[in-house]
Amino acid sequence: AQTVTQSQPEMSVQEAETVTLSCTYDTSENNYYLFWYKQPPSRQMILVIRQEAYKQQNATENRFSVNFQKAAKSFSLKISDSQLGDTAMYFCAFMIYNQGGKLIFGQGTELSVKP
Amino acid sequence: EPEVTQTPSHQVTQMGQEVILRCVPISNHLYFYWYRQILGQKVEFLVSFYNNEISEKSEIFDDQFSVERPDGSNFTLKIRSTKLEDSAMYFCASRGPSGQPQHFGDGTRLSIL
Repeated sequence: AQTVTQSQPEMSVQEAETVTLSCTYDTSENNYYLFWYKQPPSRQMILVIRQEAYKQQNATENRFSVNFQKAAKSFSLKISDSQLGDTAMYFCAFMIYNQGGKLIFGQGTELSVKP
Repeated sequence: EPEVTQTPSHQVTQMGQEVILRCVPISNHLYFYWYRQILGQKVEFLVSFYNNEISEKSEIFDDQFSVERPDGSNFTLKIRSTKLEDSAMYFCASRGPSGQPQHFGDGTRLSIL
């Protein structure tokens, strides 16, 4: 069975600084996708970034980037130049390629950006 | 940008009653999902739906639950004989071909009294 673990229940960062959220996963599959979703207090689920396991290059989306270490089964999210609007719960999620596509989520990391 | 739409945003129901949660996925998407998030907990997969049938369901998705795509646009989750522990946020999601990310609706907050 696949599992996703986020070991940091809560984190805080000063505005304009950089923060890294950790995620590890466990699977025997070789083809899969990894995602980070953001859930602000409004409780919407917003896609932040995604990574295909077959790609060695780390994905980036503006201030958001990942450090994908396939051998270590690690998928961390780095947020640069943190903004107050980044305050949210962040969920790491995993999806196996071509198996219905359900997402398996980690427990989440609650990030607070302080002015 | 196309969105997944869920109605109602908040549903309050007496225990034992039936409730139907509605979703309109993105129009050209083919895969549909329901997830549940109990307050303060992680998001849990309930069921996936493709080609007019359930493709996978979790242990949570027992006989109390059913899904339907009654027409070309709506995707519904029915919960029969609701229990207090069914209180949660229910998210609908849809996606395009394999590898494409799932797009989530804003959720329905279900409160069972």
